[in-house]
Amino acid sequence: AQSVTQPDIHITVSEGASLELRCNYSYGATPYLFWYVQSPGQGLQLLLKYFSGDTLVQGIKGFEAEFKRSQSSFNLRKPSVHWSDAAEYFCAVGLDDMRFGAGTRLTVKP
Amino acid sequence: DAGVIQSPRHEVTEMGQEVTLRCKPISGHNSLFWYRQTMMRGLELLIYFNNNVPIDDSGMPEDRFSAKMPNASFSTLKIQPSEPRDSAVYFCASRSRTSGDNEQFFGPGTRLTVL
Repeated sequence: AQSVTQPDIHITVSEGASLELRCNYSYGATPYLFWYVQSPGQGLQLLLKYFSGDTLVQGIKGFEAEFKRSQSSFNLRKPSVHWSDAAEYFCAVGLDDMRFGAGTRLTVKP
Repeated sequence: DAGVIQSPRHEVTEMGQEVTLRCKPISGHNSLFWYRQTMMRGLELLIYFNNNVPIDDSGMPEDRFSAKMPNASFSTLKIQPSEPRDSAVYFCASRSRTSGDNEQFFGPGTRLTVL
């Protein structure tokens, strides 16, 4: 069965610092992978997705993620974090039967 | 496009009462998903529909939960009778199976509190 692990429950970074959020997945075939962001009291917004092709995918708001099949990982990165990036981030795998990780809460220090 | 619309945004009810959550998917989308989000269990897929037909309801926690999609533009999730442990945020999402985009678009959610 497909599953997603986000090892970090909470991460704090300083504004302007780089960010990497980890995601490991378990999937029987070529995975459909997503990163969503959720601000407090809001729904989920898609940051980026990977289905096939180039393993480095670019998303909105300056985010990118790299698919590494050998490590079963799909880590999210941003070179310089802004205060407005503070939110909960979810990695997900699958299509119709999408499974979400537990989420990583990002705090940005001024 | 208005996006996925959910109503009500907040619902407070007493244990034992019937609760109905509503969802209007994005026009033209032919898949609809219901999720529940809690602190303890995170985001869980409850049920999804393709072309108004329920495909997988294995995530529905109990018989107290039921979902319908009478047409392409409307779906309901009903809890009868409600219990305090049903308190959660319920999200509806929709997707186009034909556009090739594959992204699920989420509504703002309904925050349910059962006293």
